Amino acid sequence: AQTVTQSQPEMSVQEAETVTLSCTYDTSESDYYLFWYKQPPSRQMILVIRQEAYKQQNATENRFSVNFQKAAKSFSLKISDSQLGDAAMYFCAFRTGNTPLVFGKGTRLSVIA
Amino acid sequence: GAVVSQHPSRVICKSGTSVKIECRSLDFQATTMFWYRQFPKQSLMLMATSNEGSKATYEQGVEKDKFLINHASLTLSTLTVTSAHPEDSSFYICSARDPAPGDEKLFFGSGTQLSVL
Repeated sequence: AQTVTQSQPEMSVQEAETVTLSCTYDTSESDYYLFWYKQPPSRQMILVIRQEAYKQQNATENRFSVNFQKAAKSFSLKISDSQLGDAAMYFCAFRTGNTPLVFGKGTRLSVIA
Repeated sequence: GAVVSQHPSRVICKSGTSVKIECRSLDFQATTMFWYRQFPKQSLMLMATSNEGSKATYEQGVEKDKFLINHASLTLSTLTVTSAHPEDSSFYICSARDPAPGDEKLFFGSGTQLSVL
């Protein structure tokens, strides 16, 4: 079974600083997709960034980037120049083919002004 | 961009009654939709996969007779919580897959907070 582990229940970062959220996963598949979702207090799930396992290049979306280490099965999210609006729950997620998303337990990020 | 509409956003009901939650894909046809449940300060737990025109696939431990899922059209899936009990109180979220070739994406509804008194 595929599992996703987020070992940091809570993290905090000063505004304008950089923070990295950790995620590891376990799978025997070679082709899969990894995601980071943000869930603000509204509880709407927002896709932050997505990575295809076959791509060696790390995905980036503006201030958000990932460090994808396929051999280590690691998929960390780096948020640069943190903003107050970045405060939310962040979920790492994984899926293969047409299977449903499997979520980690989440990391609650606080941004300190 | 593609939007998934979920309704109602909040519902309060008496114990023993049934509640229906709708999930609609507004500008794409979703052959597959997913229903998740989220307890406070916890992650999303998959309840079932809803397939248009066929029976839903339920995850282990989810009672299919209690959580009825119907996916009668390519744009609508419904989750009915039957004979609701207080322990069914939770946040329910649907998601739908836009199968556009080359760039398949998954979109989430805004969720439904169910409170059973």
